[in-house]
Amino acid sequence: EAQVTQNPRYLITVTGKKLTVTCSQNMNHEYMSWYRQDPGLGLRQIYYSMNVEVTDKGDVPEGYKVSRKEKRNFPLILESPSPNQTSLYFCASSPVNYNEQFFGPGTRLTVL
Amino acid sequence: TQLLEQSPQFLSIQEGENLTVYCNSSSVFSSLQWYRQEPGEGPVLLVTVVTGGEVKKLKRLTFQFGDARKDSSLHITAAQPGDTGLYLCAGETSNYQLIWGAGTKLIIKP
Repeated sequence: EAQVTQNPRYLITVTGKKLTVTCSQNMNHEYMSWYRQDPGLGLRQIYYSMNVEVTDKGDVPEGYKVSRKEKRNFPLILESPSPNQTSLYFCASSPVNYNEQFFGPGTRLTVL
Repeated sequence: TQLLEQSPQFLSIQEGENLTVYCNSSSVFSSLQWYRQEPGEGPVLLVTVVTGGEVKKLKRLTFQFGDARKDSSLHITAAQPGDTGLYLCAGETSNYQLIWGAGTKLIIKP
């Protein structure tokens, strides 16, 4: 089944404790991205990747890191999480950046 | 900065009623996508409109792209509880980026 998977689905952590949210797609898509979704603000792009070893900042990259060492994986790293990073996070993939986006199920992160 | 404004932000209606949600911008888009997001899930693409004036139908949902490709509407006829969700529009810009609207949260009451 073609899909984007994210782990964990739910995470409660404390300020400053490094964490990684994994994302994997099995559709051989070139393009992958991370979004955060907050009430009233819609989807805001954090980082995106056009291909392996190519990553770029989106609209709200501060406090986040990503890597794209393999085509299928695109982990999101929070080196020192803060409460303002409490949000619902989505990973998405697509054949190209402006085509249909295939979203993962989301990761709800709470930073205390 | 290109913006996509969706209206209304929230809509709660009874089953069987009709409704229209809007996606507006002052910018021209190459295409426009509509997604539906159900609670606990990621958004799923419903339709992509490409040509100015284009109308696409998906069962009881009718999507229209404005003639000038700056706006789009989603009309639902005889809404059902299964239509409940967050509806998002996303526009493809001239430099091949996607711009997202903030969404319309729709609740259909039985």
